[in-house]
Amino acid sequence: DADVTQTPRNRITKTGKRIMLECSQTKGHDRMYWYRQDPGLGLRLIYYSFDVKDINKGEISDGYSVSRQAQAKFSLSLESAIPNQTALYFCATSEGNYVVDTQYFGPGTRLTVL
Amino acid sequence: AQSVAQPEDQVNVAEGNPLTVKCTYSVSGNPYLFWYVQYPNRGLQFLLKYITGDNLVKGSYGFEAEFNKSQTSFHLKKPSALVSDSALYFCAVLINTGTASKLTFGTGTRLQVTL
Repeated sequence: DADVTQTPRNRITKTGKRIMLECSQTKGHDRMYWYRQDPGLGLRLIYYSFDVKDINKGEISDGYSVSRQAQAKFSLSLESAIPNQTALYFCATSEGNYVVDTQYFGPGTRLTVL
Repeated sequence: AQSVAQPEDQVNVAEGNPLTVKCTYSVSGNPYLFWYVQYPNRGLQFLLKYITGDNLVKGSYGFEAEFNKSQTSFHLKKPSALVSDSALYFCAVLINTGTASKLTFGTGTRLQVTL
C-alpha cells in the first residue's frame, strides 16, 4: 500500500549494531503498529501507538524500542541487534475505530543480522 | 487465550477449481475476523472482514468468507481459482481489551494455484 512506506526495504547489519527502521504514512491514521514476520509463526506485534503520546508494548517488545515522532511517523529501533532478530518487519496503520479497526500494511523491511 | 488457527500450511488447487482456505477461532465474546493476503515481496493486503450481520462476507478479488458460529470457523473461499491468487493468506482476529484493540494473526496458509 503506497500510503504506508517503510525505509529501508532491505538491511544487512552485524551483531551489536544499532539500527532504526522507519515508517511513514499519508493515510492520516492515528494508530500505528510494528510487527515482525517469521516463517511458520505468522505476524507478531512488537509495539503499537494509538497517538503521538501513547506507546504500548506488544507481545515481543524485548530488544526493541520505538519513537512516535509525529502522527505520520513511527520508528522501530534495535539497540543492539542479534541474529534472532533477523526477520521481515512490517509497519501498519489504522484509523482507530474501536469496533471495525482495519489495519493497512507497508511493504516491509527485510532485516538480516549477521 | 484468544486466537486463530490455520490448520493447513499449504493448499494446492488447479486453476478454475474452487478454493477454500481454512481458519478457526477461539474468542470469548463476539469475534471480529479478518483475512489478509501477502503476495511475494509485498506487504499484507486487506481482503475482507466480518463484524456482524450476514454470515457470508464478500471481499476483494472475488474472495468471500463464511462465518460459522457453531463451528467457530471463518473459511476463505473463491468459486474459481486463478494462478495469480497464489500467495500467502492470513486469518486474523481483532481482540478488544478495554479501550485497546489488537489484531492477532494465524500462522498463514500458502495457496498454490497451478494450470
